[in-house]
Amino acid sequence: QQQVKQSPQSLIVQKGGISIINCAYENTAFDYFPWYQQFPGKGPALLIAIRPDVSEKKEGRFTISFNKSAKQFSLHIMDSQPGDSATYFCAASIPNSGGYQKVTFGTGTKLQVIP
Amino acid sequence: SAVISQKPSRDICQRGTSLTIQCQVDSQVTMMFWYRQQPGQSLTLIATANQGSEATYESGFVIDKFPISRPNLTFSTLTVSNMSPEDSSIYLCSVVGRATEQFFGPGTRLTVL
Repeated sequence: QQQVKQSPQSLIVQKGGISIINCAYENTAFDYFPWYQQFPGKGPALLIAIRPDVSEKKEGRFTISFNKSAKQFSLHIMDSQPGDSATYFCAASIPNSGGYQKVTFGTGTKLQVIP
Repeated sequence: SAVISQKPSRDICQRGTSLTIQCQVDSQVTMMFWYRQQPGQSLTLIATANQGSEATYESGFVIDKFPISRPNLTFSTLTVSNMSPEDSSIYLCSVVGRATEQFFGPGTRLTVL
C-alpha cells in the first residue's frame, strides 16, 4: 500500500525559478516528515525535515510547507540552481514498536534545473 | 553525523549466484537498515538489523533470500542469494543518528545477468 504519494515524477525548471514538489500521506500517525536529496551514484542525504506541529520550515533556499488538515506537504526550492539537479524524495515516519522511526518514502521527483 | 561505507560499490553477477554486501559505519549504532532501490524507483526497506539479535524483515522479504549478519555495532552484511535479474537494484545501508535523522551509505549497484 502506497502511503506517501509524490508528484510530479519529473520537473524541469529554469535557473532562478522556483521548484515545487508535492507529497500527500494517508496515515495520521506519521510524526516526522523529511525530504531527501539524491545525486546519481550517491545515497540519499537529508535536506530538510518538519514535524506536524509546524506549518512551515525554511532553511536557506529550501522551504517545507505543511498542511496537517489536508495531509499534504511540499518542498519549495527558491532561486533554483543547476547544482540542485537531483532526485528528491519526501518521506514520512512513525515510531515503531522496535524503538525506531519507520520511514516510508515517496516515489521520487527527478529535478533538472537548466541554465 | 555518521559516515557509512559500502563494499562493493557495484558488481555484475550471474544468475543463481550470491553476493554479500558489506556496510561499515564510523560510529557505534544500535540499529542498521537495509534498503533496496530499484532503477528509477523509491526506497524499500528490506530489514532492520540489531546487533546480537535476528534481523527483522519487512513483508515480501525473507531471510533465506536476504540473510543479514550484524556481528558488532559498526558493521553489517546483506547477502543476496540465488540471484535473478529481478534482484538488479541499488542496495543501501542506513543508520539513524540523533533526532531521527537517517544517514545512508553510497549504495551497491547490483546487476544480475
